Amino acid sequence: GAVVSQHPSRVICKSGTSVKIECRSLDFQATTMFWYRQFPKKSLMLMATSNEGSKATYEQGVEKDKFLINHASLTLSTLTVTSAHPEDSSFYICSASGQGYGYTFGSGTRLTVV
Amino acid sequence: GESVGLHLPTLSVQEGDNSIINCAYSNSASDYFIWYKQESGKGPQFIIDIRSNMDKRQGQRVTVLLNKTVKHLSLQIAATQPGDSAVYFCAAASGNTPLVFGKGTRLSVIA
Repeated sequence: GAVVSQHPSRVICKSGTSVKIECRSLDFQATTMFWYRQFPKKSLMLMATSNEGSKATYEQGVEKDKFLINHASLTLSTLTVTSAHPEDSSFYICSASGQGYGYTFGSGTRLTVV
Repeated sequence: GESVGLHLPTLSVQEGDNSIINCAYSNSASDYFIWYKQESGKGPQFIIDIRSNMDKRQGQRVTVLLNKTVKHLSLQIAATQPGDSAVYFCAAASGNTPLVFGKGTRLSVIA
């Protein structure tokens, strides 16, 4: 079946630094990647949708300059949290779709900004 | 747009009993529905899905029922086990749109 690998699973960074999260589709071509954010005991909130080779479409209220999304290949998408602050601490999850495969989720990244 | 809600935030069941988790959606154009299980600190795990041309689908110990008339979705877990304890989310999509998630129901299995 479809597998999506997300790294790192956990990251702690200092306030003001940037963090990159990778999401790879291992056995299918992901034409579309979705990035979600999840606060403790809350549901997943869509941040942005990216189609391979195109600029990402951000949801209302999500700062595109803060959350940089790159989807330059059919197997890799990255989310970079720039100039991270403690309020950016959250669980970030990617989901890939393509080649007849539905929505396959990565295992998530727990970001803690100190 | 789509909004997806869950009727109960928590559900406690005895081990061996059946569990029923309910979900309502708002967009009548939604044509694809998924149930996910999420354990603490992990990403969502696919359980079962159903398309709008069906009203029931069965998996191993799980059944999803779809009532398009009232825009309602349910997940039934047979013979609930301690390993079923988790948060369950329903999600809906229309065409290739992003999944919209419900708020989640925490299922606790009492041994």
